[in-house]
Amino acid sequence: AQSVTQLDSQVPVFEEAPVELRCNYSSSVSVYLFWYVQYPNQGLQLLLKYLSGSTLVKGINGFEAEFNKSQTSFHLRKPSVHISDTAEYFCAVTAWAGGSYIPTFGRGTSLIVHP
Amino acid sequence: TAGITQAPTSQILAAGRSMTLRCTQDMRHNAMYWYRQDLGLGLRLIHYSNTAGTTGKGEVPDGYSVSRANTDDFPLTLASAVPSQTSVYFCASSTGTAGEAFFGQGTRLTVV
Repeated sequence: AQSVTQLDSQVPVFEEAPVELRCNYSSSVSVYLFWYVQYPNQGLQLLLKYLSGSTLVKGINGFEAEFNKSQTSFHLRKPSVHISDTAEYFCAVTAWAGGSYIPTFGRGTSLIVHP
Repeated sequence: TAGITQAPTSQILAAGRSMTLRCTQDMRHNAMYWYRQDLGLGLRLIHYSNTAGTTGKGEVPDGYSVSRANTDDFPLTLASAVPSQTSVYFCASSTGTAGEAFFGQGTRLTVV
């Protein structure tokens, strides 16, 4: 079975500062990695994904993430955040297990951008 | 494109009553999932379905049941609600391979 650990439950940051949201995973098989964003009272929407190829992936709204297989990490970064980036961010892994691809989510990181 | 539609948006339910949360997708995805979201716990999988006619148990299946009579619909039923089932419920779908999951807007359920 796979699992996901998001190391920070809350990350406060000032507007225009850089931010990194940390994610580590564990799995006995190859995984596919995702970051989702959830704005208040909404469902989750995809920010970016790593399926294969280049370990640096770029997503929407200026976010990027780097897959590090040796450290089993998939940290999310943005060089300059905006107030509108305030939201809940979820790291997820999908792996083949028991005949199914099941997305497993971390507990989420609340990004709070202050003016 | 509607994507995934969940109904109702919110509900207050008396303990001991039954309720069905509805979920419909128009993307012809094979796989569908039900998660519950609780503060500090993230999203936990309740039940899933790889294709019409099949279902499986997730991490927290007790007290819930699902059916998958066709590709588009994946209802979640609470047979006898308890206060610990107060949560936000999300339905999601995917192609069933390694692709992303698409989520509905959620159903906020309060059991009193």
